Amino acid sequence: EDQVTQSPEALRLQEGESSSLNCSYTVSGLRGLFWYRQDPGKGPEFLFTLYSAGEEKEKERLKATLTKKESFLHITAPKPEDSATYLCAVEDGGSQGNLIFGKGTKLSVKP
Amino acid sequence: DGGITQSPKYLFRKEGQNVTLSCEQNLNHDAMYWYRQDPGQGLRLIYYSQIVNDFQKGDIAEGYSVSREKKESFPLTVTSAQKNPTAFYLCASSIDFSGYEQYFGPGTRLTVT
Repeated sequence: EDQVTQSPEALRLQEGESSSLNCSYTVSGLRGLFWYRQDPGKGPEFLFTLYSAGEEKEKERLKATLTKKESFLHITAPKPEDSATYLCAVEDGGSQGNLIFGKGTKLSVKP
Repeated sequence: DGGITQSPKYLFRKEGQNVTLSCEQNLNHDAMYWYRQDPGQGLRLIYYSQIVNDFQKGDIAEGYSVSREKKESFPLTVTSAQKNPTAFYLCASSIDFSGYEQYFGPGTRLTVT
């Protein structure tokens, strides 16, 4: 049973077309939820950490939100340079320090 | 600039040979990690170290070994016992072990034929 599920697997947007990526999780006690961006052939780049339901973080065109069961990464007016795979990871209170990663959402933004 | 370095970027080995992947960080982080990434799968934890001279097995430690003799260094050895070693290997570090974001290196792509 997957503990972290990301959807959709792939998303194609036109430049300027806003949308959201979803990360749903089932863990016994959330110690933190992390969003990363990964470009092809490179290591993941840290974006946000969320700790409690209701928390929101923003960075440029990206906004991450958290509920008790899922997190959303909202992308407002995306540009082609936002194209990447976005990874979600959670730290379960039962396995402190160990992150459980989702399989990612591959975002393509066409000009 | 602070960061994590991994070398080499690409590594090719023949089956049956052990190979060591380098990971160095100058962020003064206590915790370090090794992950494996395969197409269509999430990152999977191989080993982690909370502090110097201590390390623990992750979810897929079989066929791998590590050492943590210095705070800034956490090399990973892929042994001949690893049945499917071809993968993209990522090293990460965090300021402390729990509740903190992990920062990743650029990765090493290992191909074993």
